[in-house]
Amino acid sequence: GAVVSQHPSWVICKSGTSVKIECRSLDFQATTMFWYRQFPKQSLMLMATSNEGSKATYEQGVEKDKFLINHASLTLSTLTVTSAHPEDSSFYICSARDPDSYNEQFFGPGTRLTVL
Amino acid sequence: AQRVTQPEKLLSVFKGAPVELKCNYSYSGSPELFWYVQYSRQRLQLLLRHISRESIKGFTADLNKGETSFHLKKPFAQEEDSAMYYCAPSTGANSKLTFGKGITLSVRP
Repeated sequence: GAVVSQHPSWVICKSGTSVKIECRSLDFQATTMFWYRQFPKQSLMLMATSNEGSKATYEQGVEKDKFLINHASLTLSTLTVTSAHPEDSSFYICSARDPDSYNEQFFGPGTRLTVL
Repeated sequence: AQRVTQPEKLLSVFKGAPVELKCNYSYSGSPELFWYVQYSRQRLQLLLRHISRESIKGFTADLNKGETSFHLKKPFAQEEDSAMYYCAPSTGANSKLTFGKGITLSVRP
């Protein structure tokens, strides 16, 4: 199946700094990628839909100025957590939709963000 | 309001026992329905989707539009089935997924 990678797999940062997380589709082109957040022992919550070449669509309650999404190419989407605070600590997961696999979403391994 | 409900958090069975993981949805239109699975220390992966009508790893799921349910079933559970299972309807032009709260399946030897 298609492979999606995320980098970094984990990151620790100080409060007030910004952190960028990359999501790449390794063997297919993805016009649409998704960003999720998962709290411990909870389900995935969709944060935003990232479309290549256009602005991301954010879910209700997600601050677009806080979570900046850029989808500049067909294989890369980035999520930047700006001015991170401890409450932003979470597991961030991306997925990419493969149009050649009946639009199945393939998930990355996730990025653990800890804000001190 | 659109929502997906997985009423149970945990299901613990012995190896060889039947399994049914429940999922009910409330959506306008005709969503496509999926079951995703997450094994320990692995990423989320698709288990099956209702339009394919396949049996994957012995699991099946039938869409019941009258009851708005998409329960996941397996007649004889195996230890390797122990994992977290999520029901997820897909809607919209981008086919975005909305995940249920998930259920932990534990299969004991």
